[in-house]
Amino acid sequence: DAKTTQPPSMDCAEGRAANLPCNHSTISGNEYVYWYRQIHSQGPQYIIHGLKNNETNEMASLIITEDRKSSTLILPHATLRDTAVYYCIVRVSGGSNYKLTFGKGTLLTVNP
Amino acid sequence: NAGVMQNPRHLVRRRGQEARLRCSPMKGHSHVYWYRQLPEEGLKFMVYLQKENIIDESGMPKERFSAEFPKEGPSILRIQQVVRGDSAAYFCASSPFRDNEQFFGPGTRLTVL
Repeated sequence: DAKTTQPPSMDCAEGRAANLPCNHSTISGNEYVYWYRQIHSQGPQYIIHGLKNNETNEMASLIITEDRKSSTLILPHATLRDTAVYYCIVRVSGGSNYKLTFGKGTLLTVNP
Repeated sequence: NAGVMQNPRHLVRRRGQEARLRCSPMKGHSHVYWYRQLPEEGLKFMVYLQKENIIDESGMPKERFSAEFPKEGPSILRIQQVVRGDSAAYFCASSPFRDNEQFFGPGTRLTVL
């Protein structure tokens, strides 16, 4: 699976949009971009995933660049409960893709 | 629809004892995955099971660790003769199919004294 690079930490003001970047410059055509988050002491929570097109659900939006080398997770109106470590994971379709590889992620701190 | 359930949430064992961690997947999910998170580290894949079968145990330590997912009942991760280095959070995830997103349980925090 392609390697991902994320900033170790970010801050965001409550009520503002949080934009979390991820670089995956070696991503291949059949690899999806997944985002999970882990709130302190809890299990990881699935957020969203995409292949080429931008995706949106009730939690977040995922913007993938046209060359697919990077992506941004957007939390449109961050709340204090969104403080967590956010993991960007590249996952191939098929094969041994069941092995989610969690890096160090980005610690997002939402401030009041 | 209840989420993935794990129990116990906290488990304390003395060195040399056995630890049994249980995971009930979400309803309709037949694929179960176990991950371990050591203190201050990321989650690492341990084993992937589908009903009654171990598909991939490449992340499991060679000795003392075993996993099962019987036809009836929860998946069990068993650690024999625990050592202090086994202290970690153990997370279980499930999915309806292999390619789907995985949904995680709250974890079991194992402390070995």
